[in-house]
Amino acid sequence: DTAVSQTPKYLVTQMGNDKSIKCEQNLGHDTMYWYKQDSKKFLKIMFSYNNKELIINETVPNRFSPKSPDKAHLNLHINSLELGDSAVYFCASSQRTGGYEQFFGPGTRLTVL
Amino acid sequence: AQSVTQPDIHITVSEGASLELRCNYSYGATPYLFWYVQSPGQGLQLLLKYFSGDTLVQGIKGFEAEFKRSQSSFNLRKPSVHWSDAAEYFCAVGAPMDSSYKLIFGSGTRLLVRP
Repeated sequence: DTAVSQTPKYLVTQMGNDKSIKCEQNLGHDTMYWYKQDSKKFLKIMFSYNNKELIINETVPNRFSPKSPDKAHLNLHINSLELGDSAVYFCASSQRTGGYEQFFGPGTRLTVL
Repeated sequence: AQSVTQPDIHITVSEGASLELRCNYSYGATPYLFWYVQSPGQGLQLLLKYFSGDTLVQGIKGFEAEFKRSQSSFNLRKPSVHWSDAAEYFCAVGAPMDSSYKLIFGSGTRLLVRP
């Protein structure tokens, strides 16, 4: 009965590779997000999708491409991975008419070697 | 520009003692304010939120927070800390954007609990 799930939980890869992180929510929410938490624990929003439409894109390099096949899924694809992409990536979801609370997934720890 | 400041990087309290974590925000309108907790290796869990109304809000796990507009603050409190409260605490302000909104987080406060 997990509300927001992410796969994989850990991802270790070499520089230059392409990787994807998947996110699914079973809360019936219409808005999903990606946040990045760096090594100093600082959290910053990357993207937001509402009903499969990109709403927020916070000056993220275009190597990062979110894709939302439906309201319940928001995947993050990263091309040409760099050392600086190492971080924990959190997916979240909310309901626009539901009070603005965002529910977070468990995170994906990406390590680029 | 919107921002959130958590002035304390670390706080250590003894189990059973009271706790106050500070949060100051900068936002042009009435803010939506949140406190989240992150246990080691875990995601973020919402402790409480303020949208409007009563400025003292109650949350889960015995936490409460008070919104003070004059001080631009939203401090988190707990009267008696338990060892399981040791975690990272994040204050955030919700900034509406079109049909969505983003959370702007503070840098976090790590709570350590002495036995």
